[in-house]
Amino acid sequence: GAVVSQHPSRVICKSGTSVKIECRSLDFQATTMFWYRQFPKQSLMLMATSNEGSKATYEQGVEKDKFLINHASLTLSTLTVTSAHPEDSSFYICSASSLGDTQYFGPGTRLTVL
Amino acid sequence: GENVEQHPSTLSVQEGDSAVIKCTYSDSASNYFPWYKQELGKRPQLIIDIRSNVGEKKDQRIAVTLNKTAKHFSLHITETQPEDSAVYFCAARLDTGRRALTFGSGTRLQVQP
Repeated sequence: GAVVSQHPSRVICKSGTSVKIECRSLDFQATTMFWYRQFPKQSLMLMATSNEGSKATYEQGVEKDKFLINHASLTLSTLTVTSAHPEDSSFYICSASSLGDTQYFGPGTRLTVL
Repeated sequence: GENVEQHPSTLSVQEGDSAVIKCTYSDSASNYFPWYKQELGKRPQLIIDIRSNVGEKKDQRIAVTLNKTAKHFSLHITETQPEDSAVYFCAARLDTGRRALTFGSGTRLQVQP
């Protein structure tokens, strides 16, 4: 099956710093990548949809200047959390799809902001 | 936008029994309904999916049914095993170019040995 990797798997940072998370599709070209945030014992909440070579589409309530998304190639999308604060601590998961319906999820990144 | 509701939030069954999780969706334009299994701290794994042109799909112990008229779909797990214990999420996808999934709130299934 399709494989999606995510790096880093875990990151701890100080409040006010920026953190970059990478999402890669390893064995297929992902025309679209999605970024989700999941708080403990809650569902996955879509943050933004990213199409290769174009600007990301953000969901209502997600600050695009705070969560910078870049989808520079068909196999890589990055999410940068700028000026992170403790309330940004969460489990961030990306998913990728090609032309079909199936979304393949990355292993997630646990962000802890001190 | 789409809204997906999922019930129950928790479900405890004895090993060997069946488990049923139900979801409803709001937008009749949705046409793709996957189910994901997520173990603690891990990525969601697709276990089965169904498209709106099919009413039922089965894969070994797992089956999904879809009622387009009522806008609800269900996951059925038979002969449950302890390793089925996890959180299960249903999702729906609108028939648009974005292909974004809207997830239900999740069901924590506990299979008692």
